[in-house]
Amino acid sequence: DTEVTQTPKHLVMGMTNKKSLKCEQHMGHRAMYWYKQKAKKPPELMFVYSYEKLSINESVPSRFSPECPNSSLLNLHLHALQPEDSALYLCASSRRMGPTEAFFGQGTRLTVV
Amino acid sequence: QQQVKQSPQSLIVQKGGISIINCAYENTAFDYFPWYQQFPGKGPALLIAIRPDVSEKKEGRFTISFNKSAKQFSLHIMDSQPGDSATYFCAASTEGGSEKLVFGKGTKLTVNP
Repeated sequence: DTEVTQTPKHLVMGMTNKKSLKCEQHMGHRAMYWYKQKAKKPPELMFVYSYEKLSINESVPSRFSPECPNSSLLNLHLHALQPEDSALYLCASSRRMGPTEAFFGQGTRLTVV
Repeated sequence: QQQVKQSPQSLIVQKGGISIINCAYENTAFDYFPWYQQFPGKGPALLIAIRPDVSEKKEGRFTISFNKSAKQFSLHIMDSQPGDSATYFCAASTEGGSEKLVFGKGTKLTVNP
């Protein structure tokens, strides 16, 4: 099983809403990542968790709050987002940090209205 | 020095032809070079990857050529098919460290039937 599962696939939220994105993998990977991808651009790294601890925060605004409840799950809590935060949010995982053979999920298409 | 420069930005190839995408890097510490394939609305999928101890790696119709002295690597897609139409990203990182994947800007490949 080389699958990273993200839910929901699509999300529309208002600027005052609170929502969460979820990511799950059962490959025994100990590094998990959140990326943001705008149209026609490469993915941009947001956060890295290694062994359930936050290792890298790429200076992401506090309206994005990651959480890693256990080694298989990764959440991204969203609050007070702006329309420019609309993007495809991708979760990825790899066996260990240092993203060799990183597997990406299908992404959550987020629209902020 | 952290950049990976990818060309061309877009590529149109006839069915059965060879598609070639090139990438160049500056950081000599990079030691892992993956290629990702991304279809519209989907997450990137790891296609093939190479480490600098080999000059070429082939998997089916996909071949990576690596030139360490020139700090360049390329993806060749033989017998290109319409189903190969996607955006391709090259990337680079240092294996095992805390360095993130550095992506090229992507190449949109269209294979005409």
